[in-house]
Amino acid sequence: AQSVTQPDIHITVSEGASLELRCNYSYGATPYLFWYVQSPGQGLQLLLKYFSGDTLVQGIKGFEAEFKRSQSSFNLRKPSVHWSDAAEYFCAVPTGEYGNKLVFGAGTILRVKS
Amino acid sequence: NAGVMQNPRHLVRRRGQEARLRCSPMKGHSHVYWYRQLPEEGLKFMVYLQKENIIDESGMPKERFSAEFPKEGPSILRIQQVVRGDSAAYFCASSRGHSNQPQHFGDGTRLSIL
Repeated sequence: AQSVTQPDIHITVSEGASLELRCNYSYGATPYLFWYVQSPGQGLQLLLKYFSGDTLVQGIKGFEAEFKRSQSSFNLRKPSVHWSDAAEYFCAVPTGEYGNKLVFGAGTILRVKS
Repeated sequence: NAGVMQNPRHLVRRRGQEARLRCSPMKGHSHVYWYRQLPEEGLKFMVYLQKENIIDESGMPKERFSAEFPKEGPSILRIQQVVRGDSAAYFCASSRGHSNQPQHFGDGTRLSIL
């Protein structure tokens, strides 16, 4: 079954520093992949999605992600982190017969130091 | 606000009572999903519905939980005879319905059981 793994539970970066959050997927064919962000007490907001084509995907809020088949990875990056980026980030892959059941990674909590 | 609307945002019930959670999908979306977020278990799929049909309920507990998405009105997640273990955040998402389409989430209902 398709799954995603986020190996980092917590990450702390300084404001203005670059960020990379890791996501590894387990899937035979080319997967669809998503990154979501959740602020405390809020729902999940879609940051970006990968379906096919260009392996570098641009999202909202200055985020991007790169699909690397050779490493089974879909890491999320941002060149300069802002304090408002502090949140929990989830990688997800759709599964199931209809491709509509999202399976989420465990999430990575991002803390931003000022 | 054209986003996914969930109500109530917070719901408190005593053990044995019923909980009803409501979700109105985004405009133009006809597919609805429910997920549950438990502190130690992460986000888990519960059920996928289209108007008047349950498509995939593989993540629903076998007893006490039910969901519907009637022809008119919001989708309802119903939990009968609630127990302490039902305390969680319940999120609704919607999509246009094509396979692997991104899902857009509401802000969730936080259910607390006394």
